[in-house]
Amino acid sequence: DQQVKQNSPSLSVQEGRISILNCDYTNSMFDYFLWYKKYPAEGPTFLISISSIKDKNEDGRFTVFLNKSAKHLSLHIVPSQPGDSAVYFCAASSPTGKLIFGQGTTLQVKP
Amino acid sequence: GAGVSQSPRYKVTKRGQDVALRCDPISGHVSLYWYRQALGQGPEFLTYFNYEAQQDKSGLPNDRFSAERPEGSISTLTIQRTEQRDSAMYRCASSPEAGSYNEQFFGPGTRLTVL
Repeated sequence: DQQVKQNSPSLSVQEGRISILNCDYTNSMFDYFLWYKKYPAEGPTFLISISSIKDKNEDGRFTVFLNKSAKHLSLHIVPSQPGDSAVYFCAASSPTGKLIFGQGTTLQVKP
Repeated sequence: GAGVSQSPRYKVTKRGQDVALRCDPISGHVSLYWYRQALGQGPEFLTYFNYEAQQDKSGLPNDRFSAERPEGSISTLTIQRTEQRDSAMYRCASSPEAGSYNEQFFGPGTRLTVL
């Protein structure tokens, strides 16, 4: 039973365009959501987060949107850069801090 | 400053052997989490500690897996009588405070291969 789902295993975009990564969750008790970025041979690195009381959080080129009624969140990267090429994981936090991760989406930004 | 470190980075063992994986969290971090990650999947929760107390071990697959954090800092994940299905990347993360609304900082992981 996958509580957090990233239905797109991969995404390819042109440099300068927008990248949109999607994530769906099933448990309405989740109250905090995070995006992690992972390069090969490294551990996941925190990118951006959003609390369930908000619907948008922005940090530079990265914006996360949360639609609680649809149990859906998305990460927008604009403009996309080749250095953004990595695996992106969506995660939902239980009240104890335990993270439930999606399967990941591999983003490739082409120069 | 120093991040989360894990050792060994790679471990190859024969089926039936015991292994101990070490995690050294960021100094002063209250919470420490263990995850396991299969190829092509996201990390999957195993267990976590606040200080030295194990708060939740619901993700441990069976009783061959155990973890400790005796002094509230370094943690060891032990797998007894390893099986081939235990092969995976084992990741440790630490967080400055307990509970939700906290970023977790991940280590580089230990790649375990059971032959």
